[in-house]
Amino acid sequence: DIQMTQSPSSVSASLGDRVTITCRASHNIYKYLNWYQQKPGKAPKLLIFDASNLQSGVPPRFRGSGSGTDFTLTITSLQFEDFATYFCQQSYSTPPTFGQGTKVDI
Amino acid sequence: EVQLVESGGGWVQPGRSLRVSCSTSGFPFGDYAMSWVRQAPGKGLEWVGFIRSKAYGETAEYGASVKGRFTISRDDSKTIAYLQMNSLKIEDTAVYYCARDGGDGDYGTFDYWGQGTLVTVSP
Repeated sequence: DIQMTQSPSSVSASLGDRVTITCRASHNIYKYLNWYQQKPGKAPKLLIFDASNLQSGVPPRFRGSGSGTDFTLTITSLQFEDFATYFCQQSYSTPPTFGQGTKVDI
Repeated sequence: EVQLVESGGGWVQPGRSLRVSCSTSGFPFGDYAMSWVRQAPGKGLEWVGFIRSKAYGETAEYGASVKGRFTISRDDSKTIAYLQMNSLKIEDTAVYYCARDGGDGDYGTFDYWGQGTLVTVSP
């Protein structure tokens, strides 16, 4: 199985801050990396697919980049509704595997 | 509007069985694979398995931790996906989410999710 490692595990930030979360895959996954946002008690929500494509309805302050084994999710100007946990997930091979999550809090 | 609604969760004793359902609407259910993903309390996300659409054989794949114990099925006429869980273990305690998977043979991107149903395995 492909292992996904996120960093940091948590980050404290303020409104308007630029926040960057990284995700590293144990093998080359090309562009096949997705990002999800999860709020407490809610289902995950797809933000970015195939490393850099914004899911419909997601604000453009969310940006994904990277390829191969190293990927980044950037929130360019943190808004109140962005305080949540973010997961990366590889879709290159079965089983799809998730990172351990990054909690973004105040 | 795409909607997925899980049901059937609850408390069950170790070794027993439980079936959870995922009722869907708002999209051509028969054209899509469907996945199940679980989340133990306070933990991360774990893919449980998925079932392909009829066009791709309606076959299923499972994660190692549930293979041989869990079975995913689908009823395209009712637009429902099922997760049959047998020989349940305490470590299967989790919120179980169904999610829409790929519709064109590419799998592993979950663009719509249900609200989840909690399964608690305890003596």
